[in-house]
Amino acid sequence: DQQVKQNSPSLSVQEGRISILNCDYTNSMFDYFLWYKKYPAEGPTFLISISSIKDKNEDGRFTVFLNKSAKHLSLHIVPSQPGDSAVYFCAASHGGTSYGKLTFGQGTILTVHP
Amino acid sequence: NAGVTQTPKFQVLKTGQSMTLQCAQDMNHEYMSWYRQDPGMGLRLIHYSVGAGITDQGEVPNGYNVSRSTTEDFPLRLLSAAPSQTSVYFCASRPPGQVRGYTFGSGTRLTVV
Repeated sequence: DQQVKQNSPSLSVQEGRISILNCDYTNSMFDYFLWYKKYPAEGPTFLISISSIKDKNEDGRFTVFLNKSAKHLSLHIVPSQPGDSAVYFCAASHGGTSYGKLTFGQGTILTVHP
Repeated sequence: NAGVTQTPKFQVLKTGQSMTLQCAQDMNHEYMSWYRQDPGMGLRLIHYSVGAGITDQGEVPNGYNVSRSTTEDFPLRLLSAAPSQTSVYFCASRPPGQVRGYTFGSGTRLTVV
């Protein structure tokens, strides 16, 4: 059972426009959410995160929104740049005895066209 | 500061062979994990460790063994390779209490024929 889902395998946008990547989750025990960016032949790198007690977190061009009632989060990139082209993974974690283990979504391939 | 180092980067195995994927980190991180990435599946947790001498199973542990004799090293052993284990394997580490602090290695691409 996929507890974290990214239903869009790919997204294509023009440079300068907004990119919106979506993620849904089913486990209400998740209390921390992260976005990772991955280039080919490299490991994922941390991009931005949000705690379940917040509904928005910004870091420069990147903003993550969390809707707990809908169990949905999204990553907004404004403005999009060609260097943002990569695979984006949504991940979730919960505390307690899970020791911060991450559950990942399937990933969304973002392509930003010049 | 090398971060998380994985070796080898590429490997081809025959069905039934065994091998060890190496992972080493120089950041004194207590938590280390192994993930596999498959198309359409994202990254799935294989095994993890919260410190030297302590390991536990993740989501997809079958066919893999781990041990953690030192803080720095967390090798992943394939006991008898199967084509279903063809994947890209990532090792990650982080300090305790920092869920956002995972550092990933660059991966090992394994093909089992």
